[in-house]
Order: sequence, then structure tokens, then C-alpha cells
Amino acid sequence: EVQLVESGGVVVQPGGSLRLSCAASGFTFDDYTMHWVRQAPGKGLEWVSLISWDGGSTYYADSVKGRFTISRDNSKNSLYLQMNSLRTEDTALYYCAKDSIVGATTYYFDYWGQGTLVTVSS
Amino acid sequence: EIVLTQSPATLSLSPGERATLSCRASQSVSSYLAWYQQKPGQAPRLLIYDASNRATGIPARFSGSGSGTDFTLTISSLEPEDFAVYYCQQRSNWPPSTFGQGTKLEIK
Repeated sequence: EVQLVESGGVVVQPGGSLRLSCAASGFTFDDYTMHWVRQAPGKGLEWVSLISWDGGSTYYADSVKGRFTISRDNSKNSLYLQMNSLRTEDTALYYCAKDSIVGATTYYFDYWGQGTLVTVSS
Repeated sequence: EIVLTQSPATLSLSPGERATLSCRASQSVSSYLAWYQQKPGQAPRLLIYDASNRATGIPARFSGSGSGTDFTLTISSLEPEDFAVYYCQQRSNWPPSTFGQGTKLEIK
């Protein structure tokens, strides 16, 4: 059974930093592109970032470019999101999501975690 | 960036009825469109990809159609568990991939 379990979400002040983690199991982690998607409270979905299966390619939404860094450790089946210079508008539930096809980036997310809540507030 | 506009914002129907949800793109996305279902307190679930292909384990009452800029998600006969928020998503011109604002399907 595929499982994605996010952690690391807390309350942080504007300008602060945070590192989110996602522990993956139930599939061959290093075969898949992985993504972070966020959802502000009561709002819709926003794709944040992706990292290719080998970590060689990364992409970011314009809203987080230069502030967030995605990474992965395939030896630990783990995905990370380093979040710096946090803003109030970054407040959201952050989901880790698995791409749907081995060795490719489709942007179709066939498995999601339950999310970890990041609140940016003074 | 491609903008997806979903309509209606809210759809009120009864179990057993047919639901038709729309998603319009600001420019052509070919067939690179997906639909997700999200229930309160849960993560989204992939229903349809590439406009018309059902994801693994998705019941046959869910179907998708369209290409270019106009897409439809149809639920042929609503079950009680189908009442949720539905999002469309495009992957034609990435990054970024973008989502619509959602349609809430509620019980009438």
C-alpha cells in the first residue's frame, strides 16, 4: 500500500524558515517524480514544486521561486521542502504527492499524503 | 500561465441524478487535463487523466470528455459518497501546472 506521510508543519513568524518532510512507502520511491501541492485554508489547490526521480531536475511555482528548495533522499525514501523567507500568504496545508508514471513527469498525482499545516503569523 | 475556470461554483443535485461539471481553459491544453475529487478533511483523489481516462479504481459512473479549451466531468448517477468538491487541472504548459477553483457538488 502506497503511503505518504508529511511532517514539519508548525506556526512560524513572517520571514522565518521551515523544513517539511514526506516519508514514502509502498512503492519504489526512486522511480518517481515527486511534488509538493498546497491548499490555503478554505481555498483551492496550488502546485508548488517538483523534483525528478533522480533529483536532477527541479521546478517551482513563481510564487515560491527563490525562497523554497525541494530535495529528496532516495536512500531514505524521503522528500523535503525547505521554506525560507516565509510570508503570510504561504499559510496552507502542504501535500506531498506522487507522480503517476514511472520515470516521467506527468503532473498527474495518483497518491497524496494527508498534508501538514504551515501557519505563517506574527 | 493557463487559467482554468470551473462552472458552476456550486451544483445542487439529488442522489441518482446526473451531474455535469465544466472546466474551461484560457488557451488550448490539448487533452492534458485531469479531474480530482476532494472530500472534507481528505486529500484530493485522482479521478480522470488525459481528459477521458479513468484512474485506477474509479467507478465507471465517472467519465470525462473534451479537448482544447472545453472539458466536462460527468457523473452518470450520483451516489451519496460523490458529494464533494471537484477540481480540474491542466499539465499542458508546465511549469506550472494549474488547477481550477473547484466546483462544490452538494446534496439538494
